[in-house]
Amino acid sequence: AQSVTQLGSHVSVSEGALVLLRCNYSSSVPPYLFWYVQYPNQGLQLLLKYTSAATLVKGINGFEAEFKKSETSFHLTKPSAHMSDAAEYFCAVSDLAGNQFYFGTGTSLTVIP
Amino acid sequence: EAGVVQSPRYKIIEKKQPVAFWCNPISGHNTLYWYRQNLGQGPELLIRYENEEAVDDSQLPKDRFSAERLKGVDSTLKIQPAELGDSAVYLCASSLSVSSTDTQYFGPGTRLTVL
Repeated sequence: AQSVTQLGSHVSVSEGALVLLRCNYSSSVPPYLFWYVQYPNQGLQLLLKYTSAATLVKGINGFEAEFKKSETSFHLTKPSAHMSDAAEYFCAVSDLAGNQFYFGTGTSLTVIP
Repeated sequence: EAGVVQSPRYKIIEKKQPVAFWCNPISGHNTLYWYRQNLGQGPELLIRYENEEAVDDSQLPKDRFSAERLKGVDSTLKIQPAELGDSAVYLCASSLSVSSTDTQYFGPGTRLTVL
């Protein structure tokens, strides 16, 4: 069965600082991996996805994530945080057939001015 | 292009009452998903439709929950009767197909409060 673990339910960074949100997956076969962002009172929006092409994936709003099979990780980064990045971030995993899709418990990002 | 539309946005009911949520997916999207998101948690899949067929409803509590997508377009999720533990945000999403690489587009959700 697929699952993802997001380390740190709350992360605070200063404006302009590096953003690092952690995600580890559990799967016997490298799955497809996704990062979604959820702003208050809004639905989830896809930031980026890994589908077995390039291991470094670039997404919207300056975010990127790197798939590391040896570490079973798919951490999300952004070089310089903006106030507008404050939101809830979810890592998700899908098996290759699309039969299973699971979200992590989320990480709330706070950006301090 | 319109995104996924859900209504109502908010619903407050007393326990044991019925409630229904409506979702209209993005035009042309064959796959529709209903998720439940509890406070402080990630969304959990309740049911997935491929056109009008429910292809995965293993996580749907069938004693009180039901869903339909009669013409393969919009969908309704119903709870009858509602319990206190059903308080959550119910999210609808759609994608072009059931392929695992297709992006799921989410609606804003319906926030249900059961008193």
